[in-house]
Amino acid sequence: EPEVTQTPSHQVTQMGQEVILRCVPISNHLYFYWYRQILGQKVEFLVSFYNNEISEKSEIFDDQFSVERPDGSNFTLKIRSTKLEDSAMYFCASRTDRGSYNEQFFGPGTRLTVL
Amino acid sequence: QKEVEQDPGPLSVPEGAIVSLNCTYSNSAFQYFMWYRQYSRKGPELLMYTYSSGNKEDGRFTAQVDKSSKYISLFIRDSQPSDSATYLCAMVRDSGNTPLVFGKGTRLSVIA
Repeated sequence: EPEVTQTPSHQVTQMGQEVILRCVPISNHLYFYWYRQILGQKVEFLVSFYNNEISEKSEIFDDQFSVERPDGSNFTLKIRSTKLEDSAMYFCASRTDRGSYNEQFFGPGTRLTVL
Repeated sequence: QKEVEQDPGPLSVPEGAIVSLNCTYSNSAFQYFMWYRQYSRKGPELLMYTYSSGNKEDGRFTAQVDKSSKYISLFIRDSQPSDSATYLCAMVRDSGNTPLVFGKGTRLSVIA
């Protein structure tokens, strides 16, 4: 069964460093999302991406964040200068563009620890 | 008022019990209501979704939506130890490219 994959599973970085989180969405999916979950908190929307551009972004997704689909299969989230409060699980999700409601399929997440 | 409220638990029940999980919400624009299951160190996995008000049944799981009360429920019958997980409610305004809004999740343990 096709699934969303994410790498790395765990990333440890120093405050101020840049990190890139990678996702491979399901191959025929057209919409892509990043969510994050701070320990003990809700899963929060960061950004959605369709047709090679950002569709919607939340207040969390400030200038330190960027997304890219560099090669038609990967979907990346870059944090330019990490802060302690960026420590969280980051989930990538994707969905198709067929019919009525479409399920967002989530990857297993990347645990980001900022020291 | 928070957009989606969910009691985080933890909730511990004996095997075979009926489990009731609930969320309330404030935004009347929500039309699709989902329940996700999340095992430790995994991503959320869709269990069920319901459009607008009403009930939906899938095996041991029943989802209910009461839009007049802004209240949704998930019932698990004959609960099993394998049902032990965190259950997240989520909602979305429409079927288009809009983000999911999640509750905090309820951690459920089913004891054999």
